[in-house]
Amino acid sequence: GNSVTQMEGPVTLSEEAFLTINCTYTATGYPSLFWYVQYPGEGLQLLLKATKADDKGSNKGFEATYRKETTSFHLEKGSVQVSDSAVYFCALTPNQAGTALIFGKGTTLSVSS
Amino acid sequence: DAGVIQSPRHEVTEMGQEVTLRCKPISGHNSLFWYRQTMMRGLELLIYFNNNVPIDDSGMPEDRFSAKMPNASFSTLKIQPSEPRDSAVYFCASNTHGSYNEQFFGPGTRLTVL
Repeated sequence: GNSVTQMEGPVTLSEEAFLTINCTYTATGYPSLFWYVQYPGEGLQLLLKATKADDKGSNKGFEATYRKETTSFHLEKGSVQVSDSAVYFCALTPNQAGTALIFGKGTTLSVSS
Repeated sequence: DAGVIQSPRHEVTEMGQEVTLRCKPISGHNSLFWYRQTMMRGLELLIYFNNNVPIDDSGMPEDRFSAKMPNASFSTLKIQPSEPRDSAVYFCASNTHGSYNEQFFGPGTRLTVL
């Protein structure tokens, strides 16, 4: 079946530190991969996506590369800010357009100044 | 665009009562998804619709839960009777069927069943 595993949090960092949140997946075929972010009290927002192997998604200083050989889509940011404090979800859709997202359990990031 | 609209934002009810959650997807989107978020289980898909037709309801916990989409601009998720273990945040999301585009999420309804 299809599933997503991401590192458990919380992750606590100081401002300007380097961030990595690990995500691995299990899927048949070639899924599309996503990172969503949830700020306190809000719904989820798409942060970045990649639809095929070796694609790199990027947005707001965050990056993730679709690695088929390691079935991974790790989220990275070179210098985090307090405003990046949120819950981050890795997700996939199977290679069938119009289907639902399968989410990881989420990783809480807390950045202090 | 106003985005996905959900109502109410917060609902507190007593066990055994009927609860109805509402969602208005983004205009032009023809896929709609209902998710539930809890600390224990994370984000779970309950049901999704394409062109107002339910496609996959395997995530609906039990018969107490039902969802409808009578037209392209409105969907409801009903719980009858409600139980304390139904307490969660319920999200609605929409996108365009047949694409890999992002799903746009509403702000969620926080349900508390006493």
